[in-house]
Amino acid sequence: GAGVSQSPSNKVTEKGKDVELRCDPISGHTALYWYRQSLGQGLEFLIYFQGNSAPDKSGLPSDRFSAERTGGSVSTLTIQRTQQEDSAVYLCASSLSQGLYEQYFGPGTRLTVT
Amino acid sequence: GNSVTQMEGPVTLSEEAFLTINCTYTATGYPSLFWYVQYPGEGLQLLLKATKADDKGSNKGFEATYRKETTSFHLEKGSVQVSDSAVYFCALSPYNFNKFYFGSGTKLNVKP
Repeated sequence: GAGVSQSPSNKVTEKGKDVELRCDPISGHTALYWYRQSLGQGLEFLIYFQGNSAPDKSGLPSDRFSAERTGGSVSTLTIQRTQQEDSAVYLCASSLSQGLYEQYFGPGTRLTVT
Repeated sequence: GNSVTQMEGPVTLSEEAFLTINCTYTATGYPSLFWYVQYPGEGLQLLLKATKADDKGSNKGFEATYRKETTSFHLEKGSVQVSDSAVYFCALSPYNFNKFYFGSGTKLNVKP
């Protein structure tokens, strides 16, 4: 069956531009997670959705970051006025529901801000 | 606060050697603990988990025991194979699973 997909796989953008990253979770998975992995760093948890709701947005690094999920399916992570420190791999994962269910990770979007 | 610290790599072992990758955590309350693995060219996948103190998670010959008294969740395998070469991440989630905290990852290289 289809796994978690993310697009684009690579994105190069100029500092100050806005970018939108997309995640398509596994069908039927109600929980969706966004992470960021900077070079040499572990995964940094950004936000999670249960259905279309994000109960806790405190993991987002700044107010330039926002995320939404519609129809309990596709999610987009938007970064406004990108900075060089935003360069990282952005990972999306989904699971059947919140809790101990296994998270299935997508391949990630590699964002480079020049 | 919540955090995970795992040993820095890379760890290089010969095939059939014993593996330990150390992981310690700081958490409020009673978290669940996880090990994830990322094989070369693949996405992260769950390796094993434990939900309460003294639980032992196991999978594919790997084991880890949730030690509350030492706040540790060390990953072990008795005899590694070349195919175990990957990056291993320790992680925790608080009781309400509203966030996940990952360590920085430990790269394992197993030589024939």
